[in-house]
Amino acid sequence: AQTVTQSQPEMSVQEAETVTLSCTYDTSESNYYLFWYKQPPSRQMILVIRQEAYKQQNATENRFSVNFQKAAKSFSLKISDSQLGDTAMYFCASSGSARQLTFGSGTQLTVLP
Amino acid sequence: GAGVSQSPSNKVTEKGKDVELRCDPISGHTALYWYRQSLGQGLEFLIYFQGNSAPDKSGLPSDRFSAERTGGSVSTLTIQRTQQEDSAVYLCASSWILAGGPSGGELFFGEGSRLTVL
Repeated sequence: AQTVTQSQPEMSVQEAETVTLSCTYDTSESNYYLFWYKQPPSRQMILVIRQEAYKQQNATENRFSVNFQKAAKSFSLKISDSQLGDTAMYFCASSGSARQLTFGSGTQLTVLP
Repeated sequence: GAGVSQSPSNKVTEKGKDVELRCDPISGHTALYWYRQSLGQGLEFLIYFQGNSAPDKSGLPSDRFSAERTGGSVSTLTIQRTQQEDSAVYLCASSWILAGGPSGGELFFGEGSRLTVL
């Protein structure tokens, strides 16, 4: 079984600043994927970024990047140049042979003007 | 439509009543998932369908919960004899392939159905 832990229920950041959201996971599988999803007030979950576990290079998507530490089972999300539209709940998730995503409890990020 | 569509958006019901929640996935997506999101919590997996294979029902919390997918497209999640602890947002997602597949398939989510059981 996989577990995903997000230890920061809430965070805030000033507009244009950088913020890092933490995530740790536990899995016994050798091949798996890690994701960050964003859920704005509209409730619709949107994929932010995806990382394949066997790839050592950290994934990046524009202002979003991850710090993937496989040995430590850590998968943090860095948001650079934060924008008001980044305000949302952020979920870390993992998937493997079970063919479903296992989600963390989420981090509510508020970007302050 | 272009995205995953769920209905109703909000449903208020009385304890003991049955409810049906509908999900219309993105056309051509073979995988369909149901998740439950309770207030302030993460997403809890309920069930997934993949093509014509038998669904994975391992996440259904009790036998009051059931789901079907007709014609490989629209899915209905049914909750019988609703209880107050069933109050949550029920999210549906679809994908080209199952999560964890060769490309770590992205799930496309609907906006969810908020169920309130009084």
